[in-house]
Amino acid sequence: GAVVSQHPSWVICKSGTSVKIECRSLDFQATTMFWYRQFPKQSLMLMATSNEGSKATYEQGVEKDKFLINHASLTLSTLTVTSAHPEDSSFYICSARDPRGEKLFFGSGTQLSVL
Amino acid sequence: DAKTTQPPSMDCAEGRAANLPCNHSTISGNEYVYWYRQIHSQGPQYIIHGLKNNETNEMASLIITEDRKSSTLILPHATLRDTAVYYCIVKLDSGYALNFGKGTSLLVTP
Repeated sequence: GAVVSQHPSWVICKSGTSVKIECRSLDFQATTMFWYRQFPKQSLMLMATSNEGSKATYEQGVEKDKFLINHASLTLSTLTVTSAHPEDSSFYICSARDPRGEKLFFGSGTQLSVL
Repeated sequence: DAKTTQPPSMDCAEGRAANLPCNHSTISGNEYVYWYRQIHSQGPQYIIHGLKNNETNEMASLIITEDRKSSTLILPHATLRDTAVYYCIVKLDSGYALNFGKGTSLLVTP
């Protein structure tokens, strides 16, 4: 099946620093990718929709200036958590639609811990 | 997207069939039923999806009632590696994001 690669799988950073997470579709082109966040023992929450070549669409309550999304190519979307704080510690997951079928595929997730 | 209701947790003995129910009584005619699962600390994994007919693949079977108001995911021979949270999601088209509910936490025991 289609593969979505997410990197890094975990990151620890100091409060106030920025962290970039990459999401790549390895064997298909994805015009749209989605970013989710998951807190412990909770379900996935959609943060934003990333569109290749245009601005991302953010869900209500998600700060666009804090969570910068760039989708510069058909195989890469990045999420940058700017000026991270401990409350941003979470599991971040990306997904992309394989245009060859009606499925969304997910990356393996990034565990962010902000000290 | 239509709302789904799933039991919060289920147990299943290894080697037995796991039958996970999902209610989606407000589903519309052109909405698909998708099943994903999430093993601890990993991204969700696609299992199966269907519109009206029952579906089967190498992972599972999906049984959709005739009125489409409910469905059952069947793992025919559950293994310990099938322990995960299973999400039933109803949506129009894969072009849109999946909205995850709380899912069913399946525990497969030896």
